[in-house]
Amino acid sequence: GENVEQHPSTLSVQEGDSAVIKCTYSDSASNYFPWYKQELGKGPQLIIDIRSNVGEKKDQRIAVTLNKTAKHFSLHITETQPEDSAVYFCAASKGGGADGLTFGKGTHLIIQP
Amino acid sequence: EAEVAQSPRYKITEKSQAVAFWCDPISGHATLYWYRQILGQGPELLVQFQDESVVDDSQLPKDRFSAERLKGVDSTLKIQPAELGDSAMYLCASSLPGSQREQYFGPGTRLTVT
Repeated sequence: GENVEQHPSTLSVQEGDSAVIKCTYSDSASNYFPWYKQELGKGPQLIIDIRSNVGEKKDQRIAVTLNKTAKHFSLHITETQPEDSAVYFCAASKGGGADGLTFGKGTHLIIQP
Repeated sequence: EAEVAQSPRYKITEKSQAVAFWCDPISGHATLYWYRQILGQGPELLVQFQDESVVDDSQLPKDRFSAERLKGVDSTLKIQPAELGDSAMYLCASSLPGSQREQYFGPGTRLTVT
């Protein structure tokens, strides 16, 4: 089955700086890659996703890139703010998202004031 | 904004007891998922429904876990008997049917087995 590796497990950045989280996947049939933000005691919240027919997608301060050949994708957050502090999860699935998601182990992002 | 509803939010039970969780997906979402999230890890899929039918339950420990979605709307996940290792967050998600559909998660049920 699919295996998703996520790095780093913890990331501390100064407010206003950029943060990058990286993930790799093992199943070349995977074609849908969402990113979720999870705050303490809450369910994961979808923040951005990318499908295998595009290489990059941007939404305000958040961007995601996908390299299908290398089977890795990354989340980029620019101009970080205190409210960006949370645990971020990458995930992958086949069927364009219709199948269940395989998640990475998460990255705890800490924004230092 | 429509949300996935789950109850209870917290549950404490003793090992060997039965426990049940309820999920009400976003209206119109025919696909429903149950995930388990152990503290410090990412969610893991337990079961997926399309309407009232199970699409994937390959990761569901069927000796003690069961899930149903009788009318194709809300769903119940049951554990009987509960074990200490079942302590986790149980998350429900839903999506519109077909490909190109995002999954939206509920707030989860935090289960503690003592």
